[in-house]
Parts: sequence; structure tokens; C-alpha cells
Amino acid sequence: EPEVTQTPSHQVTQMGQEVILRCVPISNHLYFYWYRQILGQKVEFLVSFYNNEISEKSEIFDDQFSVERPDGSNFTLKIRSTKLEDSAMYFCASSGTGGRQPQHFGDGTRLSIL
Amino acid sequence: QKEVEQNSGPLSVPEGAIASLNCTYSDRGSQSFFWYRQYSGKSPELIMFIYSNGDKEDGRFTAQLNKASQYVSLLIRDSQPSDSATYLCAGANFGNEKLTFGTGTRLTIIP
Repeated sequence: EPEVTQTPSHQVTQMGQEVILRCVPISNHLYFYWYRQILGQKVEFLVSFYNNEISEKSEIFDDQFSVERPDGSNFTLKIRSTKLEDSAMYFCASSGTGGRQPQHFGDGTRLSIL
Repeated sequence: QKEVEQNSGPLSVPEGAIASLNCTYSDRGSQSFFWYRQYSGKSPELIMFIYSNGDKEDGRFTAQLNKASQYVSLLIRDSQPSDSATYLCAGANFGNEKLTFGTGTRLTIIP
């Protein structure tokens, strides 16, 4: 069964550094998303992306964050000037077209900011 | 502020019994609802989705939606120890829009 793949599975970074989290959505999906989950808290929406542009973003997704689809398969989340509070699980998800399609999640990247 | 509310549990159910998980939502514009299962340290795994009022069955799982009461539920029949996980309820306004998640209900199936 097709799946969303994310790399790396765990990223450890010094505070203030930049990180790039990578995702390969399911191949025929056109809608892409990033969510995060701080330990012990709910899954929170960050951003959605369709047709090479952001379709919606949350208040969390400020100028520190950016997304890109650099080629036909990858979808990336860049976090600049990381802060301690950016430590979380980051999940990529994708969904297909044709009406109400459920979102399928990748295994996530655990981001630890030291 | 759109909210999805779940009882955080833990909910303990004997093996073989029916587990009933509930969710309420505040946004009347929400049209689509999803149940995800999340094992500790893992990602959300889609269990079921429901768009219309009434029941939807898939194997041991039944999702129920009542838009008038703004209520969604998930029933798990013949509960198995492997069903022990946190169950996340999520809503969306339209297709392909962002999901708003509840905090999840932790379910433990007792052998």
C-alpha cells in the first residue's frame, strides 16, 4: 500500500540552527500538509499546500517556517533559527483529489532542539 | 475557535467487549470526521472517516455521526489487546482542508 515517507526519523539540532524536514507524499496525491505534536499534546495543523502554493497556514506557521516542493516528489518544511519550543514530532500528510479524501500520515520526524 | 473535544481517558475495556469512544465538535461548518489510532511514539493511522449522518461500519469498527448534536463516536467490537492505543478524533470543513484534532482518548483493552 502506498505510504507517506519522512526523513530523517530523528533530528537533533542546536538552538538557532536551521533544519529541513523532508517528506515524500503518496505519488498520486496533490494536497500536502504539515502537522506537529508536542509531547503529550494534541496534533496541531501547521500548513497545507496545493498547486505549488500554500493554501492555508496556522498562527504557528510564522516567518520562521517555510515549505517547498522542490521537485515532483519531495515536500519540505524548513525551520529557521530553531527554538527550544520547536521540539516536537512533525508529521507530513497527503490526500488525493476527487471530493473528500482522508489524509494519510507519515511516520514523523522527531525534532529535538538542544 | 474551532474545537474538537474528547474525554482523555484512560478508558479500560475487557477483551472481547465493545469499546465506545466519543467526540464533540463546536464548529457547525465541520462536514467530515476522521478517527485515527495512534500508538505511543507513532504517527496517526487512519481508522475510519464519516461524512453523513448515521452509522458507517467497517469490520469491527462503526463510526457514528450526529450533526444536529455535533457528536461523533467510534465503536470497536470484539476489542483486542492490539486495539490499546490513543484514538484521535478530527474534523474538517470541506474536502482537503486542515484537520482539527481532539486531544485523543487513551484506550486500554484488558486481557
